[in-house]
Amino acid sequence: KQEVTQIPAALSVPEGENLVLNCSFTDSAIYNLQWFRQDPGKGLTSLLLIQSSQREQTSGRLNASLDKSSGRSTLYIAASQPGDSATYLCAVSNSGNTPLVFGKGTRLSVIA
Amino acid sequence: SQTIHQWPATLVQPVGSPLSLECTVEGTSNPNLYWYRQAAGRGLQLLFYSVGIGQISSEVPQNLSASRPQDRQFILSSKKLLLSDSGFYLCAWIHPGQVPYEQYFGPGTRLTVT
Repeated sequence: KQEVTQIPAALSVPEGENLVLNCSFTDSAIYNLQWFRQDPGKGLTSLLLIQSSQREQTSGRLNASLDKSSGRSTLYIAASQPGDSATYLCAVSNSGNTPLVFGKGTRLSVIA
Repeated sequence: SQTIHQWPATLVQPVGSPLSLECTVEGTSNPNLYWYRQAAGRGLQLLFYSVGIGQISSEVPQNLSASRPQDRQFILSSKKLLLSDSGFYLCAWIHPGQVPYEQYFGPGTRLTVT
C-alpha cells in the first residue's frame, strides 16, 4: 500500500529565504507525482506535475524534483514571499488515472 | 476551459440528518471523478471514485454513498450523519484520455455535524 510522508509538518521562514519541502513515498512504482497548494478553507491548486520519466519541473520560482528510485521528491521555493504562505501537499498516482495518495502536507509561513 | 463546481460551500447539519453534496464538471466529457475528505490532522482520504455513469468504487466502508447520475455530475450522500463525518469534502476530476492525467480539484464543501 502506497504511503506518502511530508517533512516538516510546519515551517516558518523570513521573507526572501529559499526553502525546500520534502516528500517521500514507499512504493517507487509511481506514474506521476503532483504538488498542490492549499490556502485555508480552500480547495487544492495544482502547482507542478512530474511524470515518472522526468527528473524535475519548473514554474516561476518553484522547482520540483523527483528521484523515483529512492522514493523522494522535493519542492524548492526561491525567494519566498508572504503570499507563499499556505499548506503544500504532495500526492502520487500509481497508474495513469487511479486516485492520488496524499501526504499530510507542510504548512508554510513566510514572515515579512 | 474546464471548471469544477461544488455546492453547498458550507453546511451545518445535526447528527442523524441526511446529506447531499453535489459536484459538477464543465467543459469536458467522460471525466474520472473523485470524492476526498480532509479531516483535521488526517490529510486527504479518498472516499469514492467513478470512471463512468453509474460506476462507483468505494475506498472506505462507512455510512456515506456516492452516485453518478450524469456524465459530469457526482453526488455524495448519507442517510444519517455521524459526528465523525465532519470535515472538508473535495471533489476532483481528471480526463482519462489526457496524459499526464493531472488531477484538478473543486473549491470544497465544509461540513460540520453538530
